Amino acid sequence: KNEVEQSPQNLTAQEGEFITINCSYSVGISALHWLQQHPGGGIVSLFMLSSGKKKHGRLIATINIQEKHSSLHITASHPRDSAVYICAVEGWKGGSEKLVFGKGTKLTVNP
Amino acid sequence: DGGITQSPKYLFRKEGQNVTLSCEQNLNHDAMYWYRQDPGQGLRLIYYSQIVNDFQKGDIAEGYSVSREKKESFPLTVTSAQKNPTAFYLCASSISGGANEQFFGPGTRLTVL
Repeated sequence: KNEVEQSPQNLTAQEGEFITINCSYSVGISALHWLQQHPGGGIVSLFMLSSGKKKHGRLIATINIQEKHSSLHITASHPRDSAVYICAVEGWKGGSEKLVFGKGTKLTVNP
Repeated sequence: DGGITQSPKYLFRKEGQNVTLSCEQNLNHDAMYWYRQDPGQGLRLIYYSQIVNDFQKGDIAEGYSVSREKKESFPLTVTSAQKNPTAFYLCASSISGGANEQFFGPGTRLTVL
């Protein structure tokens, strides 16, 4: 079993829809990251959170430490939101803190 | 403009040749990382460095080597010992090791023919 599981793997939505991407993890963590990877390959950090909820524009990230679960929400989705969204958890491994990545959720937003 | 640069964006090499991927940052970050991305898999850590002149193996270091002679530079050499070198390679940096935001470069897509 992977340490970080994302669902769904693929998601297609119509412009304007509310999007939710889920991330579950099985290890103790110090922080959870949400990243966005565009078709060209570059990765941008969206959020880093260790508790509660963060909001940036149309993006909202929540984390429930007890349930080892995080969600990324996109309100009023737009075709430019089409990308792969990656969840990564930061935890102690081999004597230092490292990121463990999920496989990503590919989001396609159609106009 | 502060950021991380990787060059080249696309690289082709013949089997058996060593190849070095460049990663430079001007963010004054202490920590730098190399990841490999394969289709359908999450990013995997190859090597990381928390300070100049020091680096540690990640989860898949076999067949790779790195150096960290300058704070701003962390080149990765893919040696002929790496069995499946064709992949997308991403470099990242953070202020320090630990729970800090990582900033990623644009990546280098290596194809070994």
